Amino acid sequence: GENVEQHPSTLSVQEGDSAVIKCTYSDSASNYFPWYKQELGKGPQLIIDIRSNVGEKKDQRIAVTLNKTAKHFSLHITETQPEDSAVYFCAATPRDSSYKLIFGSGTRLLVRP
Amino acid sequence: EAGVVQSPRYKIIEKKQPVAFWCNPISGHNTLYWYRQNLGQGPELLIRYENEEAVDDSQLPKDRFSAERLKGVDSTLKIQPAELGDSAVYLCASSITGELFFGEGSRLTVL
Repeated sequence: GENVEQHPSTLSVQEGDSAVIKCTYSDSASNYFPWYKQELGKGPQLIIDIRSNVGEKKDQRIAVTLNKTAKHFSLHITETQPEDSAVYFCAATPRDSSYKLIFGSGTRLLVRP
Repeated sequence: EAGVVQSPRYKIIEKKQPVAFWCNPISGHNTLYWYRQNLGQGPELLIRYENEEAVDDSQLPKDRFSAERLKGVDSTLKIQPAELGDSAVYLCASSITGELFFGEGSRLTVL
């Protein structure tokens, strides 16, 4: 089945710097890759997603890139702000279920003021 | 528009006791999911409903876990009897187009 690995597990950056979180997946047929942000005591919230027919997608300070050949995708946050501090999860859909998300283990991002 | 509503938010029980969690999805969302999130880990799917039908319950430990979604709206997840290893956050999510909307979760502590 699909396996998603995420790193780093923790990331500390200075406010204004960029943050990059990387994920790899195992199922080459996976075609949907969302990123979720989870704040303390809350459920995960979708912040950006990308499909396998696109290489890059941007939404203001957030961007996601996908390399299908290498089977990895990354989340880029520019001009980080303290409110970006949270746990971020990547996910992928396996070939046998378009609605089943396999999540990575999460990255705890701390933005220092 | 109201989001996914879950209750209770917190539950502490002793092992071998039963526990139930309730979820009300976003209105009109026909797909409902129950996920379990262990401390420091990503969510893991337990069961997925399309309307009232459980279409993927392969990850649900059926010896002690059960779920239902009567009338295809709200859903209940039950654990009986609970074990120490069941301590986790139980997340409910709903969708209509594939994007998942999560509730705030029910944190279970089994003593």
